Order: sequence, then C-alpha cells, then structure tokens
Amino acid sequence: GENVEQHPSTLSVQEGDSAVIKCTYSDSASNYFPWYKQELGKGPQLIIDIRSNVGEKKDQRIAVTLNKTAKHFSLHITETQPEDSAVYFCAASGSARQLTFGSGTQLTVLP
Amino acid sequence: DTEVTQTPKHLVMGMTNKKSLKCEQHMGHRAMYWYKQKAKKPPELMFVYSYEKLSINESVPSRFSPECPNSSLLNLHLHALQPEDSALYLCASSQSGTSGVYEQFFGPGTRLTVL
Repeated sequence: GENVEQHPSTLSVQEGDSAVIKCTYSDSASNYFPWYKQELGKGPQLIIDIRSNVGEKKDQRIAVTLNKTAKHFSLHITETQPEDSAVYFCAASGSARQLTFGSGTQLTVLP
Repeated sequence: DTEVTQTPKHLVMGMTNKKSLKCEQHMGHRAMYWYKQKAKKPPELMFVYSYEKLSINESVPSRFSPECPNSSLLNLHLHALQPEDSALYLCASSQSGTSGVYEQFFGPGTRLTVL
C-alpha cells in the first residue's frame, strides 16, 4: 500500500517568514495530493491540493509543488501569520484510491 | 456549501453503553467516510460508503457498526467499547469514492471518551 512520510514534525517560524513542509510517497500510481490544516479541537480543513498532471499550484500565500519523478511534494506558506499556526497533514491517493496521510507537522508562527 | 456536520461534539460513555455518532452532508456527495484520530496522529480510515453501500472496512472491530440510511446521513453505532477507543471520530464526504479521488471534506468530529 501507499506510505507517506512528512517532515519536519515541528516547525517554528517568525511572523512574516516562509514555511515549507515536505512529503514523500511510495506508490507511483498516486495521482492526487491534498494538504489539510487542523486547528486545535477542529476537523481537518482542505487548504490546497494538486493532481499529478500539474507541477505547481498557488492560492494566495499558499503553494504546493509536486515532483512525480522523485515522488515528493511540498507545501509553501509565505508571509506567515499567527493564524497559520496549526497541524498540517499531507496526503496521497494510492492504488486503492483512498487517502493515506503523513504524520503531520505542528507549525508555530511566533509573533 | 462545503459543510459536514457531526453530532454530538463530545460523548462520554461506559464500556457497557450503546451510543451512536451522526454525520450529515448536503453537498450531494455520494461517498462518506468514518475516520478515527488519536492525539497528535493523522486520521485513520475506518469505513467508506459509496452510493450508500459499504465499500471499505479497514478491519475495524465489530463493536463499531456503521450505517448509511440515505445519501446524506452516516451513523456509527458503538457498543461495548474499550478505553483505548477514546479518540476523535471524524466524518468526511466526497463526490465519489470509487472512480478516482475527489476532494474530501471533513466534519468537526466527535470527541469520544470511554470510561
């Protein structure tokens, strides 16, 4: 089955700096890669996703890049704000067409 | 509207109780999911319903019993749970669960504590 590794597990940045979270996946059949943000006491919120026919996607301060050859994808958050503080999960769809999640990254934006 | 609602928000139950978790979506999605999430861990898939039929059961113990009464509702019936079943139970929905992967939208979860 699919295996997704996510790094780092914790990340602290100063407000206004950029944050990058990286994930690798194992199943070459995976073709859908969403990112979720989970705030304390809430369910995961889909913030951006990318499909395998695209190399990069941007939505305001958030961008995702995908390298299918290397089987890795990354989340980039620019001009970070305190409200960006949360746990971020990457995920990949494997051959079973169900999502496999990474282990999560606790992002803290320091004011 | 990308809202999935779940009730109750919190539930405390004893090991001999029977309770149910409820989930509802009105996005016209035909796939609905139950996930279990322990603290500081990612969601773990439990069940998938596609077009109101159970399509995936990830070897979940029989003390968890899912039910999909119609395309908008998903229930999870709980019976004789163990303390280690305490977790956040998340419901999600997507356009389809069988033909490719579509965006999954999660509800806020039910925080379950088993005493």
